[in-house]
Amino acid sequence: QVQLLQSGGGVVQPGGSLRLSCAASGFTFSSYDMNWVRQAPGKGLEWVADIYYDGSHKYYEDSVKGRFTISRDNSRSTVYLEMNSLRVEDTAVYYCARGSDSSGYFSDSYWGQGSLVTVSS
Amino acid sequence: QLVLTQSPSASASLGASVKLTCTLTSGHITYAIAWHQHQPGKGPRFLMKVNSDGSHNKGAGIPHRFSGSSSGAERYLTISGLQSEDEADYYCQTWGTGIPWVFGGGTKLTVL
Repeated sequence: QVQLLQSGGGVVQPGGSLRLSCAASGFTFSSYDMNWVRQAPGKGLEWVADIYYDGSHKYYEDSVKGRFTISRDNSRSTVYLEMNSLRVEDTAVYYCARGSDSSGYFSDSYWGQGSLVTVSS
Repeated sequence: QLVLTQSPSASASLGASVKLTCTLTSGHITYAIAWHQHQPGKGPRFLMKVNSDGSHNKGAGIPHRFSGSSSGAERYLTISGLQSEDEADYYCQTWGTGIPWVFGGGTKLTVL
């Protein structure tokens, strides 16, 4: 069955860095776009970043551009989110989620279990 | 600009039915959407994709009592025979070529 197993996260001071990982299994990872989505305390879901199936295109939410980097290693079926210059407002639970397939068709999705990132002094 | 609008809250009694609505902005009424269920402390769960013609395809293992439909700019999620475990936040989400994922604000469903 499809699984997305997240790791990383934790408590970091403002200005610090963290890396999240999301290891996929149960499907052909290299055939799907991958996304990171977050939920700040008391707020709704917010898309953060996505990466094409082959890593050729990456997109970011405006508030994280220049600070966060999404990447993937298809040989390890893993997507990453490198977060630098973290701000208090980046505090959230971060989720990875499967997106469209390599043809651009969205049929369904799967989500990771979430990683808590707390930015606090 | 592509925006999805959801009512912040809904409630219905145990065993009853409830219909949640997600409204697309007027220039995007042909877009399909996805419904996701989010229970506290868990990762969200994909429920179904709903197309503009009302057809829908559900995720693996989603019970029959969850169904989707469409009318114009509105996309619906209907839950029949409400159970206590259906109490959750429900989000609609859409996408497009060159358009990243967009989420509605979510509807908090309370089962009375």
